Amino acid sequence: EDKVVQSPLSLVVHEGDTVTLNCSYEVTNFRSLLWYKQEKKAPTFLFMLTSSGIEKKSGRLSSILDKKELFSILNITATQTGDSAVYLCAVDFQGAQKLVFGQGTRLTINP
Amino acid sequence: ETGVTQSPTHLIKTRGQQVTLRCSSQSGHNTVSWYQQALGQGPQFIFQYYREEENGRGNFPPRFSGLQFPNYSSELNVNALELDDSALYLCASSYRGETQYFGPGTRLLVL
Repeated sequence: EDKVVQSPLSLVVHEGDTVTLNCSYEVTNFRSLLWYKQEKKAPTFLFMLTSSGIEKKSGRLSSILDKKELFSILNITATQTGDSAVYLCAVDFQGAQKLVFGQGTRLTINP
Repeated sequence: ETGVTQSPTHLIKTRGQQVTLRCSSQSGHNTVSWYQQALGQGPQFIFQYYREEENGRGNFPPRFSGLQFPNYSSELNVNALELDDSALYLCASSYRGETQYFGPGTRLLVL
């Protein structure tokens, strides 16, 4: 059965800290891994990763994929209170139409 | 460019009733996917529509059904509502197999 596991499930840090969120997967026919940020309702797209070892970066956020070890990390540096959200990792498949999501990591940034 | 929109935002129903949720896809997108997100969980794939045909289905019973219209908007219908159907229902649009972008969701409460 296809599975995506995120850790930690919950994380509380102070503003300015750096955080690393983890996502591991066991799936057949992997095509890509995606990260989304969910603040209230709509998950908003952050990154799509298809190749191992190539870092994607957007401002203070960055992500990398390891297809050999089947995991990805999402880093957020110099965290701000606006980074507080649930971060979702999802896997996309060759020849299939669904995304399989992990449970999410709830990140809380305290001022 | 118009993003993904969903209606209604909130809905309260009683067990046994039927519900219809609506989704308008982002401009230029021809594929709509529906997900169910229970509290504290990641979204679960219900089904996807492409060119008005169902194009993949998750582990949901037949009382979950859908439609896609020529303008690519979509409906999710749920018959014989059960208490466990209480969740956030998310619609995502994409251009064929490309990145899925999510709407704000409809929060359904079944009493």
